[in-house]
Amino acid sequence: AQSVTQPDIHITVSEGASLELRCNYSYGATPYLFWYVQSPGQGLQLLLKYFSGDTLVQGIKGFEAEFKRSQSSFNLRKPSVHWSDAAEYFCAVVRTNAGKSTFGDGTTLTVKP
Amino acid sequence: DTEVTQTPKHLVMGMTNKKSLKCEQHMGHRAMYWYKQKAKKPPELMFVYSYEKLSINESVPSRFSPECPNSSLLNLHLHALQPEDSALYLCASSTGFSGANVLTFGAGSRLTVL
Repeated sequence: AQSVTQPDIHITVSEGASLELRCNYSYGATPYLFWYVQSPGQGLQLLLKYFSGDTLVQGIKGFEAEFKRSQSSFNLRKPSVHWSDAAEYFCAVVRTNAGKSTFGDGTTLTVKP
Repeated sequence: DTEVTQTPKHLVMGMTNKKSLKCEQHMGHRAMYWYKQKAKKPPELMFVYSYEKLSINESVPSRFSPECPNSSLLNLHLHALQPEDSALYLCASSTGFSGANVLTFGAGSRLTVL
C-alpha cells in the first residue's frame, strides 16, 4: 500500500525567510504527487502537482516543488515566506490509474513577524 | 465557476436528529467525494461517486448515507450520529476518478453532535 510521510509536524519561520517542507512517499512506481494548503476553517487548495516530465514544478503563491525519484521525495519550497502563508500543508499521492488520494499527516506552518 | 459550494457551513445536531449536508459544483466534474477531517488531521475519504454511481464506500457506518441526485449535487444524510462524528466534512470534486485528477475542495461543513 502506498504511504506518505511528512516528517515535520510543525515548522516556524520568520517572514521573509525561505521555507522547505518535506514529503516522502512509499510506492513501487512513481505516483502522481500533489501539495495542498489549508487555511484555518477552510477547505484544501491545490498548490501544485507533478505527473511527469520536468521534476521541478511551479505552483501558485510563489511555491515550487522538486520531485526526486532516487529519494522518493517531493519537497515544497518557497524562497521568501509571507505572513499569509501560515497554514496547514498536506502532501498527497495517487497511484497511477487509480483515483484515491493518500494524504500525509500535514505540516503546520507558523510565520513569525 | 470554479467552486465547490457546501451548505450549511455550521451544523449542530442532537444524536436523534436527522440532517443533511449539501454540496454543489458546476464545473462539469464527474467525480465527487466526501471527506471527514478531525482537527490537526488529514482528510479521511468516506465516499466517492463517479458518474453519479457510488464507487467507493470506505466502510463508513450506515448512519452516514450519501446521495448523488445528479452530476452537480452531492448530499450526505446524517441520522443517529455520535459525538465522535463531530468534525469538518469536506466535499470535493474532480474531472474524473483516476490518478491524474486534481481535487477541488469546498470550504467544508463544521458538524457538532451533542
